[in-house]
Amino acid sequence: NAGVTQTPKFRILKIGQSMTLQCTQDMNHNYMYWYRQDPGMGLKLIYYSVGAGITDKGEVPNGYNVSRSTTEDFPLRLELAAPSQTSVYFCASEGGPTEAFFGQGTRLTVV
Amino acid sequence: AQTVTQSQPEMSVQEAETVTLSCTYDTSESDYYLFWYKQPPSRQMILVIRQEAYKQQNATENRFSVNFQKAAKSFSLKISDSQLGDAAMYFCAYRSANDMRFGAGTRLTVKP
Repeated sequence: NAGVTQTPKFRILKIGQSMTLQCTQDMNHNYMYWYRQDPGMGLKLIYYSVGAGITDKGEVPNGYNVSRSTTEDFPLRLELAAPSQTSVYFCASEGGPTEAFFGQGTRLTVV
Repeated sequence: AQTVTQSQPEMSVQEAETVTLSCTYDTSESDYYLFWYKQPPSRQMILVIRQEAYKQQNATENRFSVNFQKAAKSFSLKISDSQLGDAAMYFCAYRSANDMRFGAGTRLTVKP
């Protein structure tokens, strides 16, 4: 089972560039989440989705956008990258309030 | 908005001893779920234990158990017979109907 797959694993962006972090799950889960984890800190919720076509903001949505056109995919878009967006990004999915499955994370550096 | 607070940035325990990690949360909801996740240096998030708010009985998973105090909004994790492999960051998480929030984490060191 692939579970939750995030790509890329590492990326360096220049200030002002844009990129999309990909997230795919093969467990037919309705719930999907994007978190960022700053060094030594916990996970902060950026956006979440309760199903295809439905997304909502979390705690720190500014500077990000998401879409959920299919159950499997939940890409996170960064527009006009800023140094404050340097972080590790995690995608997660769950079928209900049982266990969230996490991807391996994407380490993003904005210089 | 729901918040999750872990007041212990770091904890240390001797191998084979018991340690308790603290977590408090703030919510106005009556139906929710609480979790403890472990994050080793590999960065992978691993579920340790889960508690449904409607259940009074504290959850247990082998050496891991919780002390869930709903009125006090407290959810502590007890690790018994600590092992070297327990060394990691531990995150408390609160899940409401739609989203899930995490605390800042507690770094656990296990001394041989």
